[in-house]
Amino acid sequence: GIQVEQSPPDLILQEGANSTLRCNFSDSVNNLQWFHQNPWGQLINLFYIPSGTKQNGRLSATTVATERYSLLYISSSQTTDSGVYFCAVEKDTGNQFYFGTGTSLTVIP
Amino acid sequence: NAGVTQTPKFQVLKTGQSMTLQCAQDMNHEYMSWYRQDPGMGLRLIHYSVGAGITDQGEVPNGYNVSRSTTEDFPLRLLSAAPSQTSVYFCASSYYPGDSYTFGSGTRLTVV
Repeated sequence: GIQVEQSPPDLILQEGANSTLRCNFSDSVNNLQWFHQNPWGQLINLFYIPSGTKQNGRLSATTVATERYSLLYISSSQTTDSGVYFCAVEKDTGNQFYFGTGTSLTVIP
Repeated sequence: NAGVTQTPKFQVLKTGQSMTLQCAQDMNHEYMSWYRQDPGMGLRLIHYSVGAGITDQGEVPNGYNVSRSTTEDFPLRLLSAAPSQTSVYFCASSYYPGDSYTFGSGTRLTVV
């Protein structure tokens, strides 16, 4: 399978701060998605981003497929951003996703 | 539009018991999958289906069965529950393999 490493494992931010979360993967992929798991356990898809850059409000993501990494940027963080952020990759369409172990983010007021 | 619905939300089983975790989606998604989430290990794929009548194994399939008789439903069966199957189970779906995923709210299963 593909190894997916996320960093940092834990992050504590003051409300209003910016952060960058990183996802490294061990093989070429044709699918990469970022998810947010809120404190109640719900998983929400943030980005479908096998390559390039996307933005959605205060969040943006960049995937450099040739260098096997993706970055998730959170700007002006809010307490509602707290939770765990997962990166998941898929090598072959229709095969299976491999998830990283996540970055646990806590935003304090 | 309910999205992906999982039932039950919580379940306690005794070792050796069997049960079925239900997953239903109303988005006409062809691709459905089951994951388990354990502390410190992220999510791992158990089984998946690319359409009605078609299922395949994921990373950790042992002890679980699935079937896909309709597009909407993808139940996960635990044949003989073991304490190692204590976990949170998530069902996910997408229009096609590789598309953006939608997850259900999860089932927290404890096997004693």
